[in-house]
Amino acid sequence: AQSVTQLGSHVSVSEGALVLLRCNYSSSVPPYLFWYVQYPNQGLQLLLKYTTGATLVKGINGFEAEFKKSETSFHLTKPSAHMSDAAEYFCAVSDPYDKLIFGTGTRLQVFP
Amino acid sequence: DAGITQSPRHKVTETGTPVTLRCHQTENHRYMYWYRQDPGHGLRLIHYSYGVKDTDKGEVSDGYSVSRSKTEDFLLTLESATSSQTSVYFCATRPREDQPQHFGDGTRLSIL
Repeated sequence: AQSVTQLGSHVSVSEGALVLLRCNYSSSVPPYLFWYVQYPNQGLQLLLKYTTGATLVKGINGFEAEFKKSETSFHLTKPSAHMSDAAEYFCAVSDPYDKLIFGTGTRLQVFP
Repeated sequence: DAGITQSPRHKVTETGTPVTLRCHQTENHRYMYWYRQDPGHGLRLIHYSYGVKDTDKGEVSDGYSVSRSKTEDFLLTLESATSSQTSVYFCATRPREDQPQHFGDGTRLSIL
């Protein structure tokens, strides 16, 4: 069975600083991995996904994530935080023909 | 939002009453999902559908039923609402197994 662990329910950074949101997964088959972002009172929006191929995945809004099989990780990064990045971020795992399993989320705060 | 409309967006009701939430999509996606979102739990799958009249249970299906009589509509029913079902409910769709899910804006349900 698949599972996802997001380390840190809250992360705070200064504007312009590096953003690093951690995600580790467990999967018995090659996983599909996703990061979603949720702004207040809205649904989830896909940031990026990894299915196969290149392990460094680029997404929207300057975010990227790297799939590291040896570490079973899929951490989300952005070189320079912007105030508009403040939101809740969810990592999710799915095997190719199964349902999504979500982590518990990480709330990102960005301070001026 | 892939043409997903959830209704109502907000509802307050009393324990023991029946409640139906509607998810309507305009993209003709085959797969539809209902999730609930609670603090500290991320999103948890309630039920899902892989076609008209084809539905299955998710992780937290007790106390919920669903119906899908048309491709575009997926209904979630709480037969006799309880306070533990107070939550934010999200509908999601996807066209194929290898595509990411798209989310609606959610329904905030309060059961007093």
